[in-house]
Amino acid sequence: LAKTTQPISMDSYEGQEVNITCSHNNIATNDYITWYQQFPSQGPRFIIQGYKTKVTNEVASLFIPADRKSSTLSLPRVSLSDTAVYYCLVGDARGYQKVTFGIGTKLQVIP
Amino acid sequence: GAVVSQHPSWVICKSGTSVKIECRSLDFQATTMFWYRQFPKQSLMLMATSNEGSKATYEQGVEKDKFLINHASLTLSTLTVTSAHPEDSSFYICSASGGPEARSTEAFFGQGTRLTVV
Repeated sequence: LAKTTQPISMDSYEGQEVNITCSHNNIATNDYITWYQQFPSQGPRFIIQGYKTKVTNEVASLFIPADRKSSTLSLPRVSLSDTAVYYCLVGDARGYQKVTFGIGTKLQVIP
Repeated sequence: GAVVSQHPSWVICKSGTSVKIECRSLDFQATTMFWYRQFPKQSLMLMATSNEGSKATYEQGVEKDKFLINHASLTLSTLTVTSAHPEDSSFYICSASGGPEARSTEAFFGQGTRLTVV
């Protein structure tokens, strides 16, 4: 399982765009990159998943460079409710493969 | 997205008793379920992988006789914490996936169970 490295914490003001970068230098050819969000005392919630280039959905964008050794989760115009821990995971996209969580990034949105 | 439900959401038990936590996939068949434990201000730690109809695979350092996992059907896995002690107090989370045949590539997580042993 590829190891991931993320900043431990980030602060942002409301309305700003937040970019959280994750390093995964030993990502394997079959690995996908998935980001989850977790609020206190809740299970993680899927945000976005990608393999290469750029993926966008209704809540976020995921940028993956050609070498795939890193990825950046972009949250547009954050609000206070986006305060949470964000986890970057790398692994085989097939659902039955176990998922290992890193330390995550604690995002604090400030009014 | 698919829904995974855990029950109970929270439980308080006396030291020495056993507690069962259920994890159900409500709208898909979960070939594989995972059980995690999360201590305050820490990340999720994988405890075991549960495959329907077979014995669970435990991570290193997790006592299989203390954390009994049963995955008897494609929609239900249970985690029983036996002879619970205060140090077992934690947030337990399950996730489920449909296996290699599933269309979705994401794992779906339950809402978690807060266990407090007094």
